Amino acid sequence: DAGVTQSPTHLIKTRGQQVTLRCSPKSGHDTVSWYQQALGQGPQFIFQYYEEEERQRGNFPDRFSGHQFPNYSSELNVNALLLGDSALYLCASSPVAQGGYTFGSGTRLTVV
Amino acid sequence: RKEVEQDPGPFNVPEGATVAFNCTYSNSASQSFFWYRQDCRKEPKLLMSVYSSGNEDGRFTAQLNRASQYISLLIRDSKLSDSATYLCVVNRGGGTSYGKLTFGQGTILTVHP
Repeated sequence: DAGVTQSPTHLIKTRGQQVTLRCSPKSGHDTVSWYQQALGQGPQFIFQYYEEEERQRGNFPDRFSGHQFPNYSSELNVNALLLGDSALYLCASSPVAQGGYTFGSGTRLTVV
Repeated sequence: RKEVEQDPGPFNVPEGATVAFNCTYSNSASQSFFWYRQDCRKEPKLLMSVYSSGNEDGRFTAQLNRASQYISLLIRDSKLSDSATYLCVVNRGGGTSYGKLTFGQGTILTVHP
Protein backbone atom coordinates (compact mmCIF):
# COMPACT_ATOMS: atom_id res chain seq x y z
CA ASP A 1 0.00 0.00 0.00
CA ALA A 2 1.78 3.12 -1.22
CA GLY A 3 1.89 6.01 1.16
CA VAL A 4 1.90 9.65 0.16
CA THR A 5 4.11 10.29 -2.85
CA GLN A 6 5.62 13.69 -3.61
CA SER A 7 7.59 14.85 -6.61
CA PRO A 8 10.14 16.07 -7.23
CA THR A 9 12.24 15.33 -4.14
CA HIS A 10 14.56 18.27 -4.68
CA LEU A 11 14.28 21.39 -6.78
CA ILE A 12 16.39 24.49 -7.36
CA LYS A 13 14.72 27.59 -8.82
CA THR A 14 15.70 31.19 -9.43
CA ARG A 15 13.98 34.17 -7.80
CA GLY A 16 10.95 35.24 -9.77
CA GLN A 17 10.34 31.84 -11.32
CA GLN A 18 7.30 29.68 -10.81
CA VAL A 19 7.23 26.14 -9.42
CA THR A 20 4.74 23.27 -9.30
CA LEU A 21 4.97 20.53 -6.72
CA ARG A 22 2.94 17.33 -6.92
CA CYS A 23 1.38 14.99 -4.40
CA SER A 24 -0.38 11.64 -4.70
CA PRO A 25 -2.31 10.79 -1.53
CA LYS A 26 -2.33 7.49 0.24
CA SER A 27 -4.82 5.00 -1.15
CA GLY A 28 -8.24 5.61 0.38
CA HIS A 29 -7.45 9.20 1.37
CA ASP A 30 -9.43 12.02 -0.21
CA THR A 31 -8.17 15.09 1.65
CA VAL A 32 -4.81 16.70 0.92
CA SER A 33 -3.06 19.39 2.92
CA TRP A 34 0.13 21.25 2.16
CA TYR A 35 2.68 22.51 4.68
CA GLN A 36 5.83 24.61 4.42
CA GLN A 37 8.69 23.83 6.80
CA ALA A 38 11.55 26.31 6.96
CA LEU A 39 14.84 25.21 8.44
CA GLY A 40 14.64 24.91 12.22
CA GLN A 41 10.89 25.53 12.32
CA GLY A 42 7.80 23.39 12.57
CA PRO A 43 5.62 22.90 9.48
CA GLN A 44 3.24 25.76 8.67
CA PHE A 45 -0.17 25.04 7.16
CA ILE A 46 -0.62 26.41 3.64
CA PHE A 47 -4.01 25.04 2.58
CA GLN A 48 -6.21 21.97 2.44
CA TYR A 49 -8.15 20.47 -0.47
CA TYR A 50 -11.22 18.28 -0.38
CA GLU A 51 -13.57 17.44 -3.24
CA GLU A 52 -11.34 19.50 -5.56
CA GLU A 53 -11.92 22.67 -3.57
CA GLU A 54 -9.73 24.65 -1.21
CA ARG A 55 -11.39 24.17 2.14
CA GLN A 56 -9.04 25.99 4.49
CA ARG A 57 -6.10 28.30 4.01
CA GLY A 58 -3.28 29.38 6.26
CA ASN A 59 -1.54 32.72 6.34
CA PHE A 60 0.16 32.52 2.95
CA PRO A 61 0.00 35.06 0.10
CA ASP A 62 -1.91 34.50 -3.12
CA ARG A 63 1.36 33.54 -4.80
CA PHE A 64 0.65 30.14 -3.28
CA SER A 65 -2.13 28.32 -5.07
CA GLY A 66 -3.22 24.76 -5.45
CA HIS A 67 -5.40 22.29 -7.18
CA GLN A 68 -6.90 18.90 -6.49
CA PHE A 69 -7.77 16.50 -9.26
CA PRO A 70 -10.64 13.98 -9.46
CA ASN A 71 -8.22 11.18 -8.47
CA TYR A 72 -7.47 13.18 -5.26
CA SER A 73 -3.90 14.02 -6.28
CA SER A 74 -2.88 17.62 -5.77
CA GLU A 75 -0.52 20.31 -6.95
CA LEU A 76 1.00 23.26 -5.14
CA ASN A 77 1.99 26.21 -7.29
CA VAL A 78 4.16 29.08 -6.15
CA ASN A 79 4.58 32.12 -8.38
CA ALA A 80 7.20 34.86 -8.28
CA LEU A 81 9.50 32.86 -6.04
CA LEU A 82 11.34 34.64 -3.25
CA LEU A 83 14.46 33.52 -1.42
CA GLY A 84 12.28 33.06 1.65
CA ASP A 85 10.25 30.41 -0.12
CA SER A 86 13.18 28.02 0.27
CA ALA A 87 11.85 25.25 2.48
CA LEU A 88 10.69 21.67 2.73
CA TYR A 89 7.17 21.40 1.32
CA LEU A 90 5.17 18.59 2.84
CA CYS A 91 1.97 17.05 1.59
CA ALA A 92 -0.29 15.21 4.01
CA SER A 93 -3.33 13.15 3.14
CA SER A 94 -6.16 11.87 5.29
CA PRO A 95 -9.51 10.18 4.97
CA VAL A 96 -12.17 12.71 5.97
CA ALA A 97 -14.32 10.33 7.87
CA GLN A 98 -11.70 8.57 9.94
CA GLY A 99 -8.88 10.96 10.57
CA GLY A 100 -5.15 10.35 10.67
CA TYR A 101 -2.74 12.30 8.56
CA THR A 102 0.02 10.61 6.59
CA PHE A 103 2.86 12.83 5.44
CA GLY A 104 4.88 12.46 2.29
CA SER A 105 8.65 12.74 2.45
CA GLY A 106 8.48 16.25 1.03
CA THR A 107 9.97 18.36 -1.73
CA ARG A 108 12.99 20.39 -0.77
CA LEU A 109 12.84 23.68 -2.69
CA THR A 110 15.84 25.97 -2.88
CA VAL A 111 15.41 29.42 -4.37
CA VAL A 112 18.63 31.14 -5.45
CA ARG B 1 2.65 34.98 20.67
CA LYS B 2 2.93 31.73 18.73
CA GLU B 3 -0.13 29.50 18.76
CA VAL B 4 1.94 26.49 19.89
CA GLU B 5 5.14 27.03 21.85
CA GLN B 6 7.85 24.54 22.71
CA ASP B 7 11.28 24.77 24.23
CA PRO B 8 13.50 24.15 21.17
CA GLY B 9 16.24 22.58 23.30
CA PRO B 10 18.45 20.92 22.33
CA PHE B 11 18.19 18.29 25.00
CA ASN B 12 21.27 16.09 25.29
CA VAL B 13 20.75 13.08 27.53
CA PRO B 14 22.55 9.77 28.15
CA GLU B 15 21.00 6.45 27.26
CA GLY B 16 18.60 5.31 29.94
CA ALA B 17 17.69 8.81 31.07
CA THR B 18 14.17 10.12 31.49
CA VAL B 19 13.40 13.30 29.60
CA ALA B 20 10.31 15.50 29.53
CA PHE B 21 9.12 17.95 26.90
CA ASN B 22 6.56 20.66 27.46
CA CYS B 23 4.31 22.56 25.14
CA THR B 24 1.70 25.30 25.56
CA TYR B 25 -1.03 26.33 23.16
CA SER B 26 -2.93 29.59 23.01
CA ASN B 27 -6.24 28.69 21.36
CA SER B 28 -8.69 27.34 23.93
CA ALA B 29 -10.91 26.07 21.09
CA SER B 30 -8.31 23.45 20.18
CA GLN B 31 -9.76 19.98 20.28
CA SER B 32 -7.09 17.46 19.33
CA PHE B 33 -3.50 17.17 20.44
CA PHE B 34 -0.58 15.10 19.21
CA TRP B 35 3.13 14.52 19.44
CA TYR B 36 4.94 13.92 16.16
CA ARG B 37 8.49 12.78 15.69
CA GLN B 38 10.68 14.05 12.86
CA ASP B 39 14.03 12.56 12.01
CA CYS B 40 16.64 14.70 10.26
CA ARG B 41 15.52 15.64 6.74
CA LYS B 42 12.52 13.31 6.94
CA GLU B 43 8.78 13.86 7.19
CA PRO B 44 6.96 14.13 10.54
CA LYS B 45 5.43 10.90 11.80
CA LEU B 46 2.71 10.56 14.40
CA LEU B 47 4.16 9.41 17.72
CA MET B 48 0.99 9.51 19.77
CA SER B 49 -2.24 11.32 20.38
CA VAL B 50 -2.71 13.12 23.68
CA TYR B 51 -5.81 12.77 25.82
CA SER B 52 -6.95 14.58 28.95
CA SER B 53 -6.81 11.36 30.92
CA GLY B 54 -3.19 10.87 29.94
CA ASN B 55 -2.01 8.03 27.80
CA GLU B 56 0.98 5.76 27.62
CA ASP B 57 2.63 3.86 24.80
CA GLY B 58 5.54 1.80 26.04
CA ARG B 59 8.24 4.18 27.23
CA PHE B 60 6.25 7.24 26.14
CA THR B 61 3.66 9.03 28.27
CA ALA B 62 1.64 12.03 27.12
CA GLN B 63 -0.44 14.35 29.26
CA LEU B 64 -2.87 17.14 28.47
CA ASN B 65 -4.03 19.86 30.85
CA ARG B 66 -6.85 21.75 29.15
CA ALA B 67 -7.22 24.26 31.97
CA SER B 68 -3.58 25.31 31.68
CA GLN B 69 -3.45 24.68 27.91
CA TYR B 70 -0.37 22.57 28.47
CA ILE B 71 0.82 19.35 26.85
CA SER B 72 3.71 17.16 27.92
CA LEU B 73 5.65 14.16 26.68
CA LEU B 74 7.74 11.96 28.93
CA ILE B 75 10.27 9.50 27.54
CA ARG B 76 11.62 6.90 29.94
CA ASP B 77 14.74 4.77 29.47
CA SER B 78 15.92 6.80 26.47
CA LYS B 79 17.41 4.92 23.53
CA LEU B 80 19.87 6.17 20.93
CA SER B 81 17.08 5.71 18.38
CA ASP B 82 14.95 8.27 20.24
CA SER B 83 17.22 11.04 18.90
CA ALA B 84 14.96 13.22 16.76
CA THR B 85 12.92 16.41 16.80
CA TYR B 86 9.66 16.14 18.72
CA LEU B 87 6.83 18.32 17.47
CA CYS B 88 3.86 19.35 19.57
CA VAL B 89 0.77 19.57 17.35
CA VAL B 90 -2.68 21.02 17.91
CA ASN B 91 -5.80 20.73 15.77
CA ARG B 92 -8.86 22.92 16.20
CA GLY B 93 -11.10 20.41 14.48
CA GLY B 94 -12.03 17.06 15.94
CA GLY B 95 -9.51 14.43 14.99
CA THR B 96 -6.91 14.99 12.32
CA SER B 97 -9.14 14.42 9.35
CA TYR B 98 -10.08 18.05 8.93
CA GLY B 99 -8.94 21.38 10.13
CA LYS B 100 -5.38 22.50 10.00
CA LEU B 101 -2.63 21.07 12.17
CA THR B 102 -0.67 23.74 14.01
CA PHE B 103 2.87 22.67 14.84
CA GLY B 104 5.24 23.94 17.48
CA GLN B 105 8.82 24.75 16.57
CA GLY B 106 9.95 21.32 17.70
CA THR B 107 12.28 20.16 20.47
CA ILE B 108 15.55 18.55 19.46
CA LEU B 109 16.56 15.48 21.45
CA THR B 110 19.96 13.84 21.23
CA VAL B 111 20.55 10.65 23.19
CA HIS B 112 24.22 9.77 23.60
CA PRO B 113 25.92 6.55 24.72
